[in-house]
Amino acid sequence: GAVVSQHPSWVICKSGTSVKIECRSLDFQATTMFWYRQFPKQSLMLMATSNEGSKATYEQGVEKDKFLINHASLTLSTLTVTSAHPEDSSFYICSAQRGGRTDTQYFGPGTRLTVL
Amino acid sequence: AQSVAQPEDQVNVAEGNPLTVKCTYSVSGNPYLFWYVQYPNRGLQFLLKYITGDNLVKGSYGFEAEFNKSQTSFHLKKPSALVSDSALYFCAVRDMRNTGNQFYFGTGTSLTVIP
Repeated sequence: GAVVSQHPSWVICKSGTSVKIECRSLDFQATTMFWYRQFPKQSLMLMATSNEGSKATYEQGVEKDKFLINHASLTLSTLTVTSAHPEDSSFYICSAQRGGRTDTQYFGPGTRLTVL
Repeated sequence: AQSVAQPEDQVNVAEGNPLTVKCTYSVSGNPYLFWYVQYPNRGLQFLLKYITGDNLVKGSYGFEAEFNKSQTSFHLKKPSALVSDSALYFCAVRDMRNTGNQFYFGTGTSLTVIP
């Protein structure tokens, strides 16, 4: 149990376009989902925390108008990178949490975004 | 402030030998501690966690970790390393007193098991 999927796993886009990444909890309802960004050989950087039905909480330095997060249901959260630029190229990973603060975060397989 | 330190960027160990990946933490309250493993171009896989109770926690794939409150450490261990254990390992902490749910991750330790 506790499987999280992401789609797409890999995307290449032109500069100036928008890209949507989906994160789904397949076999559980996620009260909270998280979006991370990971640069090569570096740790995960938390971008935002989202709870179903409410606005996402963004970490300091993350542009909320640039990285739009929608958590429409207990099994789906989306991250839209708007007007993408080459510096947005990165590995984006989502995670989902079922319940309270002792619960584990379960991670998706990640999405590799390359902006040309 | 909450933080996690993984003092070693790289750990090399011979196959069959015991392995240790170090992690120390700093939180204002009591910690929830987690270990994850990441294979190339993949997401993180959960290995084990400490919430409360027995200081020695056993997890997936034969890994275990020992919570040491006095040393504020949560080192990951395995008695006999396999080549397939070669991966990137992340330690994470959440402060029990923190009302948020976010994890704080260490910078990761790359483990290489040499055949």
